[in-house]
Order: sequence, then structure tokens, then C-alpha cells
Amino acid sequence: DSGVTQTPKHLITATGQRVTLRCSPRSGDLSVYWYQQSLDQGLQFLIQYYNGEERAKGNILERFSAQQFPDLHSELNLSSLELGDSALYFCASSPSASARTDTQYFGPGTRLTVL
Amino acid sequence: AQTVTQSQPEMSVQEAETVTLSCTYDTSESDYYLFWYKQPPSRQMILVIRQEAYKQQNATENRFSVNFQKAAKSFSLKISDSQLGDAAMYFCAYIGSNYQLIWGAGTKLIIKP
Repeated sequence: DSGVTQTPKHLITATGQRVTLRCSPRSGDLSVYWYQQSLDQGLQFLIQYYNGEERAKGNILERFSAQQFPDLHSELNLSSLELGDSALYFCASSPSASARTDTQYFGPGTRLTVL
Repeated sequence: AQTVTQSQPEMSVQEAETVTLSCTYDTSESDYYLFWYKQPPSRQMILVIRQEAYKQQNATENRFSVNFQKAAKSFSLKISDSQLGDAAMYFCAYIGSNYQLIWGAGTKLIIKP
């Protein structure tokens, strides 16, 4: 158990809908990262937040947005969902802003299925 | 462009033997970090080992060790005394100055009893 929690574990929805994925980092960690893993693929970095502020941005679609709240939990919002958005979404956390020197600890992921 | 390549989609090894998973990367930077992550069937992503590029000594964690060849941009993972619990997807990842963790496509490791 990494100490990172993600809810829900599974999510099934229809095209065009909007969903929110939630992540709570490990105690004491200030950075949260979001990744997308499509079937049998490596991970794609989406976005990083540090202490409430956006720190780095990857290949995140305009239909996706994220935020980190004062209690440091983070939410990833996915809207106008398409079939291709079906994937495993991981959240990871680390102690500082430095994604380079920190080790990122991953949550169990949220499996999103868009029908 | 920063890329990570894992040329072996699948590897198999007999239990208790040694296996090496390959990883190469492309970067023009001199200071960066490399990681191996393991993803078992549970899909949990677990850090196996990390290597700082400025360190010449290869990282080791119990049965897991790396062969880091900076000039060749190679970062292979050696698993000694393979166990059934080592069966998983193994991902090599790189992080450079843009703070983005770049991942390889993964190698599926099968352990034969």
C-alpha cells in the first residue's frame, strides 16, 4: 500500500458525459501527478500540482482539467467523454515540487470505461 | 525529443534464474533520473529501483540491480533469483529538466515454475 488513495476504483459512463476522479496523496506529500494508461500502453503524464498550484503540464486534452485543494487532495475532471478516453487513470504523489529528485508513489488507479 | 525505448515486449525466465530487461533512452541532458517500475496484474504501479545519472555506481535493491551505461544511454534491469511474484509488466521511465516522467512501452515478464 503506497498511501495514495483514489476513488472510484471503477467508473462506467457514456460518451458525452463528464466524470470526476479523486486522489488523496500520501500524508506529507505536496505534489500530485496525474497519468493516463491506455490498454497495454505505457503511461502518459497529464499534469502536476504542487501545494495547490499547477506545476507542469503534459499531454492533457482541453476537455480535461484538474485542481488541487487546500487539503491537498486533487480532482481530475474529464468532460465530453469519448470512447478513446477509456483508460486507467493513475494519481501519484511526492513530497516536494521536484518531480526529478522525488520518488513518485502511485495510487491503485481508476479504471474508466466509456461506452 | 526525449524518448524511452524498451525493445522486448515480452520476456520469460525459469524460476530462480536471472533475467535482464533492456531500456534505452534518448536525451541531450547531462542531469536526469531513471526509474524502473513494476506493474503486476493488480495494476498497481510499484517503484523497483531508481538511478541518478550523475552517479557512476549502479543502483541495487536486493535481487534487483541496474546496468547503467550513460554514454550508451542504456539502463537495463537485472533480476536475480527470479520468483513467481516477479511476474509483471516492467516499465522504464526517465525524467529530465521538463519535469515530465517519460515512459517506455513496457516489457511483460513471465516466470516459468
